[in-house]
Amino acid sequence: AQRVTQPEKLLSVFKGAPVELKCNYSYSGSPELFWYVQYSRQRLQLLLRHISRESIKGFTADLNKGETSFHLKKPFAQEEDSAMYYCALSGSNYGQNFVFGPGTRLSVLP
Amino acid sequence: GAGVSQTPSNKVTEKGKYVELRCDPISGHTALYWYRQSLGQGPEFLIYFQGTGAADDSGLPNDRFFAVRPEGSVSTLKIQRTERGDSAVYLCASRTSRDSNEQFFGPGTRLTVL
Repeated sequence: AQRVTQPEKLLSVFKGAPVELKCNYSYSGSPELFWYVQYSRQRLQLLLRHISRESIKGFTADLNKGETSFHLKKPFAQEEDSAMYYCALSGSNYGQNFVFGPGTRLSVLP
Repeated sequence: GAGVSQTPSNKVTEKGKYVELRCDPISGHTALYWYRQSLGQGPEFLIYFQGTGAADDSGLPNDRFFAVRPEGSVSTLKIQRTERGDSAVYLCASRTSRDSNEQFFGPGTRLTVL
């Protein structure tokens, strides 16, 4: 069965500190992995996806198939990074449904 | 351009009543998804439309839930005989062509069943 876990409900770091949001998944096949972000009073939006291999707002995420992980990292956290972060998984065929993790609230302290 | 819109933004109803939630996707987006998000949880998939047809309705929790998209654009999620456990934020998302998996989300409808 498809499943996404995010072990931390809340992660607090100080501004300028490195941050890592953990995501593990289970899927029988080749999944596509995503990170979505929801800032306060805004709608859910795509942050990045593993197939793009790009860095958005300083965040990167590497798909580790051996460890079935897709952790989100940023070397120097900013206060504006404070938000809810959701890891999500989809099958590699377009149109398959998405499975979201429970989310991690990142709080970046001044 | 306009993003995904959902109406109403808030809906309060009584147990046993019928409700309809509406989603207007981004113009030209062929795929449309409905999710339910309970407090402290991530979005939970309900149903996915490709055009007018429901391509995957495996997430609908029971037969009280039904969704339509008659003209391939606007979609309506219908809940019959609402129960208190149906209280949640209902999210809609749309996606462009078959070669992109990026979903664009609406602001959600907060449903409260008293």
